[in-house]
Amino acid sequence: GNSVTQMEGPVTLSEEAFLTINCTYTATGYPSLFWYVQYPGEGLQLLLKATKADDKGSNKGFEATYRKETTSFHLEKGSVQVSDSAVYFCALINTGGGNKLTFGTGTQLKVEL
Amino acid sequence: GAVVSQHPSWVICKSGTSVKIECRSLDFQATTMFWYRQFPKQSLMLMATSNEGSKATYEQGVEKDKFLINHASLTLSTLTVTSAHPEDSSFYICSARGTSGGSNTGELFFGEGSRLTVL
Repeated sequence: GNSVTQMEGPVTLSEEAFLTINCTYTATGYPSLFWYVQYPGEGLQLLLKATKADDKGSNKGFEATYRKETTSFHLEKGSVQVSDSAVYFCALINTGGGNKLTFGTGTQLKVEL
Repeated sequence: GAVVSQHPSWVICKSGTSVKIECRSLDFQATTMFWYRQFPKQSLMLMATSNEGSKATYEQGVEKDKFLINHASLTLSTLTVTSAHPEDSSFYICSARGTSGGSNTGELFFGEGSRLTVL
């Protein structure tokens, strides 16, 4: 079946530090990959996505590259801000999985001044 | 962007009582809504797919008599946890598939979640 594995949090960084949140997946075929973000008190929002191998999704300074050879979709940002503090979820949709989203466990990011 | 709202955001109830959680799409019509459950430090697990005007489709292992889902209108789906017990305590999240001009855009919009604590 499909599964998504994320690094455990919380991740605590100083403002302007470099961020990497690791995500690897298991799926048959060619899934689409997503990063969702949940700010405190709000619902999950789509941050970025990639639909095929070697695609790079990017938004708000965040980016992630779909690496089929390593089955990874690591989230990166060059310089985090306090406002980036949130929980980040990696997810995939696989047509072989009935077009249902499979989520990772989420990684909490805390950015301090 | 599209907004999905859940109510209540948190609820505490006694064991044996039933609790209803509402999920509303505020600025679009959602023919399909999804209900998820999240335990601490675990993934969001899809419980069921709710289709307007028809019965919900439950995932394997989810008791449909325990978790009643009703999607009576294009903007509202409800999840009722019947005869709740402490093991039902969890974070419940709904999502709705966005539409534009009546067509399915495919993007999912999530509610802010409802935390249920059963004493």
